Amino acid sequence: KNQVEQSPQSLIILEGKNCTLQCNYTVSPFSNLRWYKQDTGRGPVSLTIMTFSENTKSNGRYTATLDADTKQSSLHITASQLSDSASYICVVSGVDSSYKLIFGSGTRLLVRP
Amino acid sequence: EADIYQTPRYLVIGTGKKITLECSQTMGHDKMYWYQQDPGMELHLIHYSYGVNSTEKGDLSSESTVSRIRTEHFPLTLESARPSHTSQYLCASRAHEQYFGPGTRLTVT
Repeated sequence: KNQVEQSPQSLIILEGKNCTLQCNYTVSPFSNLRWYKQDTGRGPVSLTIMTFSENTKSNGRYTATLDADTKQSSLHITASQLSDSASYICVVSGVDSSYKLIFGSGTRLLVRP
Repeated sequence: EADIYQTPRYLVIGTGKKITLECSQTMGHDKMYWYQQDPGMELHLIHYSYGVNSTEKGDLSSESTVSRIRTEHFPLTLESARPSHTSQYLCASRAHEQYFGPGTRLTVT
């Protein structure tokens, strides 16, 4: 069964600190992996999208890594800001499911001053 | 900035009412999706379309229906709303990247 699992479920950090969120998936064959940020009550917004051949991709203070061999991805947030408080969702697309994405349940991040 | 819109943003209605949630995008995307998301929970796909006159049910069973008469428009209809339909409904469209609308928060009393 194709699954995407994220950890931790929730995380609280102090402003200015770094953090890393994890995503493990069992989707096969794999096409791409996306990280989204979702503010409360809003739609998700894309942070990064990575294909099989990409190991790392950055978007400002967000850096995503992908290890397609171990089927693991991480999202690293550097020098966190209060506005980083949100849910971060890992989404995987398989080659055979071009119309559907498989969503993780998300990590809820709270950045405190 | 994604050009995908949803109306209304918030809706409170009584049980038994018929409602239509609107979704439109100006990016010319063929693929469009509806997701249902309860607070703090993951997104569940309820409908999708890969072009005009194409609609399919998603992974989560839903009593709602959709139509796709125009590329840019993908409305979702509930014929008779119930309290169990209370949720957030997110519309999305996709070429390579998938863009989400701001969502409609529906409350059925």
